[in-house]
Amino acid sequence: AQTVTQSQPEMSVQEAETVTLSCTYDTSESNYYLFWYKQPPSRQMILVIRQEAYKQQNATENRFSVNFQKAAKSFSLKISDSQLGDTAMYFCAFMKLKLVFGQGTRLTINP
Amino acid sequence: EPEVTQTPSHQVTQMGQEVILRCVPISNHLYFYWYRQILGQKVEFLVSFYNNEISEKSEIFDDQFSVERPDGSNFTLKIRSTKLEDSAMYFCASSEGRALDGNTEAFFGQGTRLTVV
Repeated sequence: AQTVTQSQPEMSVQEAETVTLSCTYDTSESNYYLFWYKQPPSRQMILVIRQEAYKQQNATENRFSVNFQKAAKSFSLKISDSQLGDTAMYFCAFMKLKLVFGQGTRLTINP
Repeated sequence: EPEVTQTPSHQVTQMGQEVILRCVPISNHLYFYWYRQILGQKVEFLVSFYNNEISEKSEIFDDQFSVERPDGSNFTLKIRSTKLEDSAMYFCASSEGRALDGNTEAFFGQGTRLTVV
């Protein structure tokens, strides 16, 4: 069974700083997708970024980018020029048959 | 932009009562999912549904749970006899393609907060 581990329960940075959230996963599959979801206080799940495992190029979405290391089974999220609205829980997720989520990282952006 | 819609947004029920959580997936999507998030914990997979039948379910999805697509638009999760530990946020999701291929994105609804008292 696939597992996803986020080793940072909480992180806090100042506005405009860059922050990196870590995620590792375990699978024997070769083709899969990886996602980062944002969950603000409203508890809605919002897709931030996705990465196809067969693509070597790291996905980028505006201020959000990932560092995907397939051999190491690592999938970190970098948020550049962080904004107050980035404050939320962030979940890393693996998808093959279904989404498997990590425990989440609570990110706080301070003014 | 198409979205997954869940109703109600919040439901309070007494222990032992039956509840039905409703979801309207995106219209051209074929795969439907229910996930659960107990407060402060991670999001957990409950069940996936395709072609009018369950394609996969987790150990959480016991005989108390059932899913149905009663018409062409709704996708429901029923809990027959609620327990206190069923209190959680329940998310419905849908995707266009097969999760088996890992080639698709799951769109989430805004969630239903179920409180069992």
